[in-house]
Amino acid sequence: DAGVTQSPTHLIKTRGQHVTLRCSPISGHKSVSWYQQVLGQGPQFIFQYYEKEERGRGNFPDRFSARQFPNYSSELNVNALLLGDSALYLCASSFRVGQGHQPQHFGDGTRLSIL
Amino acid sequence: DAKTTQPPSMDCAEGRAANLPCNHSTISGNEYVYWYRQIHSQGPQYIIHGLKNNETNEMASLIITEDRKSSTLILPHATLRDTAVYYCIVRVATQTGANNLFFGTGTRLTVIP
Repeated sequence: DAGVTQSPTHLIKTRGQHVTLRCSPISGHKSVSWYQQVLGQGPQFIFQYYEKEERGRGNFPDRFSARQFPNYSSELNVNALLLGDSALYLCASSFRVGQGHQPQHFGDGTRLSIL
Repeated sequence: DAKTTQPPSMDCAEGRAANLPCNHSTISGNEYVYWYRQIHSQGPQYIIHGLKNNETNEMASLIITEDRKSSTLILPHATLRDTAVYYCIVRVATQTGANNLFFGTGTRLTVIP
């Protein structure tokens, strides 16, 4: 079975540009989460979506936005890119949200470099 | 969410057991302890989780103290492929139903031949 897939794998942008990252969850998973991982640090939570609704948001500026589609895939959008946005962007999926055991399964990320 | 404290790095000889400690002294009663690992250039990989009891699966064992303030991940026979950063995470479901994972900086485990 296919795991979480993300595209593109690598991306180079310049300051001020806009970027869209894409994620397809594991088949049957209805929740998608986005994380940012700066070099040398652990992943930091950005958003979680479940059934197309935002269920959680981390401490990121409004330049970051996301959405989830009816097929449960998701997009992360970042506007007005800054040098500090250079990072590995990870997508994770889980079957559902809420109480109980809910392991999140991660893709291998999109490496975004800002010049 | 409870914070976790892990040693920044550890070494382990190949074939020996690797014991990775984690302190989570402010954990609440409904918060799970999760362990993930991240091998270079890959996304984090789920290893194991627990609430109160010790757990074992094909990858590892998780020992949680009775007061739940600390835990230990045990890789019984470490191989070179176990070299990775290991994250101990305390996860709670929020009122909105979110299941955010709050990663720290983890423990970099190096398995030595």
